[in-house]
Amino acid sequence: SNELTQPPSVSVSPGQTAIITCSGDKLGDRYAAWYQQKPGQSPVLVIFRDTKRPSGIPERFSGSNSGNTATLTISGTQAMDEADYYCQAWDSRTVVFGGGTKLTVL
Amino acid sequence: EVQLEESGGGWVQPGRSLRLFCAGSGFTFDEYAMHWVRQAPGRGLEWVSGIDGNSGVIGYADSVKGRFTISRDNAKDSLYLQMNSLRVEDMALYYCAKGPHLGFDGSHHMDVWGRGTTVTVSS
Repeated sequence: SNELTQPPSVSVSPGQTAIITCSGDKLGDRYAAWYQQKPGQSPVLVIFRDTKRPSGIPERFSGSNSGNTATLTISGTQAMDEADYYCQAWDSRTVVFGGGTKLTVL
Repeated sequence: EVQLEESGGGWVQPGRSLRLFCAGSGFTFDEYAMHWVRQAPGRGLEWVSGIDGNSGVIGYADSVKGRFTISRDNAKDSLYLQMNSLRVEDMALYYCAKGPHLGFDGSHHMDVWGRGTTVTVSS
């Protein structure tokens, strides 16, 4: 199966660490990417090739990928990080997105 | 500045056709794979189709295979999506997105996104 599974929602207090997971069959054997989408805006790439940050993305965003799970970690979460987050991977000439996780910063 | 601008969306009845356009600027268009990604109202992202820089490798989601056709004209820095036999479930905001390099392969992601064009399918 090429499905990617994310928790529908994650809550975190300001300044704390947010962890968003993405599960898929042998996902660790593929590259994972993560996108942030705020209401009414287009998605923005925040992590690619498992761990790399595009220019302009704050250092508090980091990623890892091993086994069947890719993880997006946001350290010192800020109110501006409240958004939907999507994982993405490639599988046999197709691109797959996870269902998305709504991050709430309480 | 790298930019993508979609157009061609609109209202269409089920079973009819529509053609979407995406104009790229600020980068060497033929050096990058391109994609269409859609998002139904209140729903998540769904990849629709991708094409490498040379139009040699093309992929489609199962949900659109046989109905949608992706193509590109590198001389015009343009990407297209021909959508036939449209269904109510195809109604969404359609994004054009740029890949990180020429090929369409396992390291793929989308590093630039347009603002999208809305497709409404209704009788």
